[in-house]
Amino acid sequence: GESVGLHLPTLSVQEGDNSIINCAYSNSASDYFIWYKQESGKGPQFIIDIRSNMDKRQGQRVTVLLNKTVKHLSLQIAATQPGDSAVYFCAENRGGGSNYKLTFGKGTLLTVNP
Amino acid sequence: DAGVTQSPTHLIKTRGQHVTLRCSPISGHKSVSWYQQVLGQGPQFIFQYYEKEERGRGNFPDRFSARQFPNYSSELNVNALLLGDSALYLCASSPEIGSWDEQFFGPGTRLTVL
Repeated sequence: GESVGLHLPTLSVQEGDNSIINCAYSNSASDYFIWYKQESGKGPQFIIDIRSNMDKRQGQRVTVLLNKTVKHLSLQIAATQPGDSAVYFCAENRGGGSNYKLTFGKGTLLTVNP
Repeated sequence: DAGVTQSPTHLIKTRGQHVTLRCSPISGHKSVSWYQQVLGQGPQFIFQYYEKEERGRGNFPDRFSARQFPNYSSELNVNALLLGDSALYLCASSPEIGSWDEQFFGPGTRLTVL
């Protein structure tokens, strides 16, 4: 079936370490991916996106890697800070057609220990 | 500028009732999307509206309906409520259809069905 999922439901890191959050997707037709951060009591917040014609994209302290061969997406956060503690979701869009739809994965809870 | 606003923030209903949730997009945004987020899971796409027309639909029963008004605000209606409809309902707005990287989420409406 069509799904976007995560390998690890929880991740605990020390402040200053790098964090890596993983995501697997099953639909090879997906051509656009987004990482979201959701803090408690708030809606998801866009972090970074990547299109399927790229394999890496960098933002401020974040990097997204896309491996289309194994249908795997990862979010790397450099020098993780306590403010990075949140649930992180990957989402995919299959693009094209007339049905505009964004599919989210289940999420990974990142806890940053001071 | 005000972000996406939703009302009410919390709502308690009983099975069989209907509910209307409201969303005001960011000024200038023409597209509104609705998501259902069950506790502990990622948001599930329900609808996307653009210029008052439905442009995307997720896998939800016909009990769920929505509309968008000329001022681009939107309502989500759910009829014949079930216990399983208890969730956080998120609204998101974006400038254009499919501009996922410019999509901003509201804080959500917490619906509890008893």
